[in-house]
Amino acid sequence: SQQGEEDPQALSIQEGENATMNCSYKTSINNLQWYRQNSGRGLVHLILIRSNEREKHSGRLRVTLDTSKKSSSLLITASRAADTASYFCATDAVQGAQKLVFGQGTRLTINP
Amino acid sequence: DTEVTQTPKHLVMGMTNKKSLKCEQHMGHRAMYWYKQKAKKPPELMFVYSYEKLSINESVPSRFSPECPNSSLLNLHLHALQPEDSALYLCASSQLPGPPGLAVTYEQYFGPGTRLTVT
Repeated sequence: SQQGEEDPQALSIQEGENATMNCSYKTSINNLQWYRQNSGRGLVHLILIRSNEREKHSGRLRVTLDTSKKSSSLLITASRAADTASYFCATDAVQGAQKLVFGQGTRLTINP
Repeated sequence: DTEVTQTPKHLVMGMTNKKSLKCEQHMGHRAMYWYKQKAKKPPELMFVYSYEKLSINESVPSRFSPECPNSSLLNLHLHALQPEDSALYLCASSQLPGPPGLAVTYEQYFGPGTRLTVT
């Protein structure tokens, strides 16, 4: 199975601190994406990193990708209460880019 | 307009009912998806449509029947569901990824979902 694992499953930090979430996957990928989901709602795309990239930034988000270790990390700097959500990594296999497989997710809580 | 809409937001149905979930996008995307998400779990892919044709069926039971009547609409027809089918059903759309070997992946835009309860 290509399905990824995310670590930690839950993370609770104080507002203003940085949050780091990790994702590991099993098979070769084309790209890795990160999505955010507020409770019981649809997912919102955050960032896409291609397999030939090692790091990508978008605002307060920093994503790294290590294809040799089949892992990625998402760093959210200067966290805000509005960042409270579940965060999922998603990968697509070399064989077919249409199929996204999501990791188990990290539930992030930002305490004011 | 980068919005994917889904109706209804909530649906309660009995095991003998027939109902349909609807999804609409006007971003010109030619790939559309149905996902099922149980509580505290990641979304699981059910179906993919490319150019209005079913391209991926993840071995979903036949009591779920997808339909793509045009490039903007995606339906999921439900019949004789089981209580374990209760979940959040998410629709998504994207630009068409490239073919195998030249794969280019695009972000998927998700709707807010339909919360389905089967009684």
